Amino acid sequence: GAVVSQHPSRVICKSGTSVKIECRSLDFQATTMFWYRQFPKQSLMLMATSNEGSKATYEQGVEKDKFLINHASLTLSTLTVTSAHPEDSSFYICSARGGLEYEQYFGPGTRLTVT
Amino acid sequence: GQNIDQPTEMTATEGAIVQINCTYQTSGFNGLFWYQQHAGEAPTFLSYNVLDGLEEKGRFSSFLSRSKGYSYLLLKELQMKDSASYLCAVMDSNYQLIWGAGTKLIIKP
Repeated sequence: GAVVSQHPSRVICKSGTSVKIECRSLDFQATTMFWYRQFPKQSLMLMATSNEGSKATYEQGVEKDKFLINHASLTLSTLTVTSAHPEDSSFYICSARGGLEYEQYFGPGTRLTVT
Repeated sequence: GQNIDQPTEMTATEGAIVQINCTYQTSGFNGLFWYQQHAGEAPTFLSYNVLDGLEEKGRFSSFLSRSKGYSYLLLKELQMKDSASYLCAVMDSNYQLIWGAGTKLIIKP
């Protein structure tokens, strides 16, 4: 099956710093990648959708200047949380979809803690 | 607006059968997914239904009725490892996944 990796799996950073999370599709070309955030005991919340080579589409309420998304290749997308604050602490999950496929393949997630 | 409803929490006994329901109202329909998510982990794919009827995969089955906007996930011969959250998601006309809040399933010995 299709494999999606995320790095890092856990990160702790200080308030005000920036953190970059990578999402890679290892054995397929991901034309579309999705970034989700999940707070404890809550469902997935879609933050943005990115298509390779074009700007990401952000969901309402998600600050695009704070959550920078780059999808420069068919196998890599990055999410940079800029000037992180404690309220940004969450579980960030990416997923990828290739071509005409309907299924989204999820990465293992990144636990971000901002102190 | 778009809406996915599923129960917040369910409890069942090891070895028994449990049915988790999901009702939806979305802008268009391109299929319904069920995912399993263990605490602290990413979701894993369980099933996909786009036509009415029952799809069976081992101990897990998923049913869809498009006219009723209704699906259920049926888990048989429950095992302790089935304790997890089960997420229902519908792909809308824009091929975006609309997620339910998830049903936390607790399995008791």
